Amino acid sequence: DAGVIQSPRHEVTEMGQEVTLRCKPISGHNSLFWYRQTMMRGLELLIYFNNNVPIDDSGMPEDRFSAKMPNASFSTLKIQPSEPRDSAVYFCASSRATGRVMNTEAFFGQGTRLTVV
Amino acid sequence: KQEVTQIPAALSVPEGENLVLNCSFTDSAIYNLQWFRQDPGKGLTSLLLIQSSQREQTSGRLNASLDKSSGRSTLYIAASQPGDSATYLCAVPSGNTPLVFGKGTRLSVIA
Repeated sequence: DAGVIQSPRHEVTEMGQEVTLRCKPISGHNSLFWYRQTMMRGLELLIYFNNNVPIDDSGMPEDRFSAKMPNASFSTLKIQPSEPRDSAVYFCASSRATGRVMNTEAFFGQGTRLTVV
Repeated sequence: KQEVTQIPAALSVPEGENLVLNCSFTDSAIYNLQWFRQDPGKGLTSLLLIQSSQREQTSGRLNASLDKSSGRSTLYIAASQPGDSATYLCAVPSGNTPLVFGKGTRLSVIA
């Protein structure tokens, strides 16, 4: 298996532009997570899906952020409009979960480094 | 709310030393604990997963222990090598909350 695949690896955009980050989870995994990593705050959970359904989006910082999982093999995280403070590394991860219980190993993608200027 | 703390924040050791990284968590109602490694500019690589019913887990030169009742885990690295230099993160899920991460320990192994 190729692991969790994220694209793009790097994104530089101007303030106010829309940004879309993409993730392909590991085949057979039923849970998908979006995290954001910054030097100040470390890794923070933004949202997670179980069986393509959003379970908890309380970590999404503002309404400018939205995430979708239209099927088991694809998810997007969109920021519209983007702001300089959104600059961070965004990680996608997947795992097998028993229902909503996170009792199995999680695997992370290589991340998307977003810079908003 | 689960909080995870890792001490020390940074550690520098000479090659060949055995070392211990510490992780503590506030809510002991966890399913498991996972240790990750992150190289600069890279993603997270899973090293070890300890289920809540286990006391320890080993992989090569790595040994992770878990004391759930006291809210602590340690990652022991034997005979450290320069290639072990990275940031090590621990994370726990609890309840319906996915992985909560510590801030990590940045390890430098000097040749």
